Amino acid sequence: KAGVTQTPRYLIKTRGQQVTLSCSPISGHRSVSWYQQTPGQGLQFLFEYFSETQRNKGNFPGRFSGRQFSNSRSEMNVSTLELGDSALYLCASSSRRPGQGAGEQYFGPGTRLTVT
Amino acid sequence: AQKVTQAQTEISVVEKEDVTLDCVYETRDTTYYLFWYKQPPSGELVFLIRRNSFDEQNEISGRYSWNFQKSTSSFNFTITASQVVDSAVYFCALRGERTYKYIFGTGTRLKVLA
Repeated sequence: KAGVTQTPRYLIKTRGQQVTLSCSPISGHRSVSWYQQTPGQGLQFLFEYFSETQRNKGNFPGRFSGRQFSNSRSEMNVSTLELGDSALYLCASSSRRPGQGAGEQYFGPGTRLTVT
Repeated sequence: AQKVTQAQTEISVVEKEDVTLDCVYETRDTTYYLFWYKQPPSGELVFLIRRNSFDEQNEISGRYSWNFQKSTSSFNFTITASQVVDSAVYFCALRGERTYKYIFGTGTRLKVLA
């Protein structure tokens, strides 16, 4: 099976712009989560989607949003970029359904976003 | 509130030494799940193990072993006879059945020197 794929791998944006990142989960996985990884804050949970519905959300401002499509692919969007949004954004997929306990997550290689 | 503490920021060992990475967690959920992930220099997190709160059996997988102790809220990870390829950042993570969010520790950077 192909792993989790994320595009683009690298991105440079200017403050104030907006950006959309894409994630394709492992085939058959319907749960997709997003994380932000920075040296200072570590890995922080952004949100989780299952069957096109947001199931859980981390403590990030409304500038961070996401969605999931019927084929389980997911996108996250960050509007009005700030310098502090520079980070590695990781996507993870899982085969577990809500209510089936917490399954292991399989991570993609991440998108390295640099905001200048 | 949920919390995962990995007090060891960085550990350096010489190849073939054994090393233990500590993980202490906090949760109010009675059912929860603990994980270890490895992040090599390439950047992609790799799943290592998942443990349920109701299963305190320790696990061994090759050179890796995990010691889960609910009494001390710890889920420690030991690498026996470490190798250079074990050099990576290791993350411990927690997900509560009710809180439903994955919480990661800050990671422990392991350097295995030849």
